[in-house]
Amino acid sequence: SQTIHQWPATLVQPVGSPLSLECTVEGTSNPNLYWYRQAAGRGLQLLFYSVGIGQISSEVPQNLSASRPQDRQFILSSKKLLLSDSGFYLCAWSWLGTNEKLFFGSGTQLSVL
Amino acid sequence: DQQVKQNSPSLSVQEGRISILNCDYTNSMFDYFLWYKKYPAEGPTFLISISSIKDKNEDGRFTVFLNKSAKHLSLHIVPSQPGDSAVYFCAASARGSNYKLTFGKGTLLTVNP
Repeated sequence: SQTIHQWPATLVQPVGSPLSLECTVEGTSNPNLYWYRQAAGRGLQLLFYSVGIGQISSEVPQNLSASRPQDRQFILSSKKLLLSDSGFYLCAWSWLGTNEKLFFGSGTQLSVL
Repeated sequence: DQQVKQNSPSLSVQEGRISILNCDYTNSMFDYFLWYKKYPAEGPTFLISISSIKDKNEDGRFTVFLNKSAKHLSLHIVPSQPGDSAVYFCAASARGSNYKLTFGKGTLLTVNP
């Protein structure tokens, strides 16, 4: 069976500090990978998606970047966090070639102070 | 521009009664719709979906109805149980959307014992 791991579960970081969130998927090959964010009082916003190693598409201009160094690894990064980067970050995967069902990780609650 | 709208931020129902969660969309290219359920501090989990070629899909206590002419879908939960208390997200995708789901802001359902 497929599983998705995302860590850490919670993170408190000062403004201006760097960020690295990691996500890995097990039990499948060539998945589509996604980073979403849920800000307070808002829905799920797609930040990045990837259909293959090294292939990253950005949905919104922001202070964040994503990388996919391996087939089943997806990393969300920032060089300098802003207060507005606070939120609940979710990694997700879907079968290659379809977006019809996403499987989400357990999320990371990021607080930038 | 909110392409998927859940206009009710919250809904409260009694245990055993029907819960009806509503969702409206504006993009006529959407052809696949999903509902996700999310508990606090967890990732969303897939609940039920419907293709635009259907107007109803049922899975146990959960039924999704699609009205394409009105660009409206709804999720019915019968009977409602306290364990159904969660945030419910409506999501939609379009052919050629490059593997992206568009989510609504969610509706918090509270089922009172």
